[in-house]
Amino acid sequence: DAKTTQPNSMESNEEEPVHLPCNHSTISGTDYIHWYRQLPSQGPEYVIHGLTSNVNNRMASLAIAEDRKSSTLILHRATLRDAAVYYCILMYNAGNMLTFGGGTRLMVKP
Amino acid sequence: DVKVTQSSRYLVKRTGEKVFLECVQDMDHENMFWYRQDPGLGLRLIYFSYDVKMKEKGDIPEGYSVSREKKERFSLILESASTNQTSMYLCASSLTASGTVRFGPGTRLTVL
Repeated sequence: DAKTTQPNSMESNEEEPVHLPCNHSTISGTDYIHWYRQLPSQGPEYVIHGLTSNVNNRMASLAIAEDRKSSTLILHRATLRDAAVYYCILMYNAGNMLTFGGGTRLMVKP
Repeated sequence: DVKVTQSSRYLVKRTGEKVFLECVQDMDHENMFWYRQDPGLGLRLIYFSYDVKMKEKGDIPEGYSVSREKKERFSLILESASTNQTSMYLCASSLTASGTVRFGPGTRLTVL
């Protein structure tokens, strides 16, 4: 199974951009890169996903390396409500498995 | 607002009891999942289902079974609850294998 590697924790100041990295060196050609986040006492929520091209939505941007072995989730202006654990996940196109790694705990300072 | 709902937020059961955790989604999703989340271990997949009456084992199926009689409902069953099954249980669903996944709020189960 393709796995992901993320830093355990990161800190950011409020209103500043945040770049959350993820390494997935064993990714296969049909794996989608998904990002979810989990706020305290809640289930994970979808943030963004992509296959090869960079993606933008109202929550964040996803930058995918050309060789797809790494990606970066970008929060353009961190708020206190963005403090959460962020999971980078590979979703297998041919199957239904969705396996989570340890995630990155993002702390946002006012 | 589309959602995944779980029957209980908190549940306390005794060792040896049969426990049912219910999950319902209103998005007509094909795939449904059950995870447990423990400190330091992250989310681990117990079972998933890609269609009615279909089920597949995840990473940690021992001690659990599942039922999917209707598309919108996926039940997790602990045949004989044990203290090491005390955990947060999360249900999720997705339309396709590569689609986005929606999670429920979780059920915190304590087995005494």
